[in-house]
Amino acid sequence: NAGVTQTPKFRVLKTGQSMTLLCAQDMNHEYMYWYRQDPGMGLRLIHYSVGEGTTAKGEVPDGYNVSRLKKQNFLLGLESAAPSQTSVYFCASSYSPGEETEAFFGQGTRLTVV
Amino acid sequence: SQQGEEDPQALSIQEGENATMNCSYKTSINNLQWYRQNSGRGLVHLNLIRSNEREKHSGRLRVTLDTSKKSSSLLITASRAADTASYFCATAQYRDDKIIFGKGTRLHILP
Repeated sequence: NAGVTQTPKFRVLKTGQSMTLLCAQDMNHEYMYWYRQDPGMGLRLIHYSVGEGTTAKGEVPDGYNVSRLKKQNFLLGLESAAPSQTSVYFCASSYSPGEETEAFFGQGTRLTVV
Repeated sequence: SQQGEEDPQALSIQEGENATMNCSYKTSINNLQWYRQNSGRGLVHLNLIRSNEREKHSGRLRVTLDTSKKSSSLLITASRAADTASYFCATAQYRDDKIIFGKGTRLHILP
């Protein structure tokens, strides 16, 4: 049982380049989340999804897009990377926060934009 | 803005002592969760306490919730070197699908 898998684990981008981060979960969870973690800022929610085909904005959505074409996958896209998007990105999934279940996290993607 | 705020931001204690971390939040919640993050790793769930609960125990962990003060605490008893990590509280609000995290407390257990 792999849980939540993020790819890639590391990436260096030049300013203006684009990329997609992939999150895959094998727990049949409805809810999926993308967070970014910066020093001293904790985790901030970028976008989230409550089921296949749905997406919603979180606390810091600007500069990012997401898609949930399949229930098990949640993609985070950066169309034109900026140095301010240098961060560690975490994906998480949950059966349902309203049903009082925990979130399971991937191991993170460390992104550097130069 | 982030829902939860942990206090203190950093804590260093001797091995064997108890560690207490606090979390305050702003709006009504459905539940509050605590997570641990070892350096460079993903977050691991520790405990979940519902809004109608006041205290939960799990091994060396004790979580309390005071909804009147909008605050929670995480107590780790008889600390060990392996407890060195960052600890985060997260809240799930009623009729909301988001899980919002605080900034975390960095706990360092001294040998």
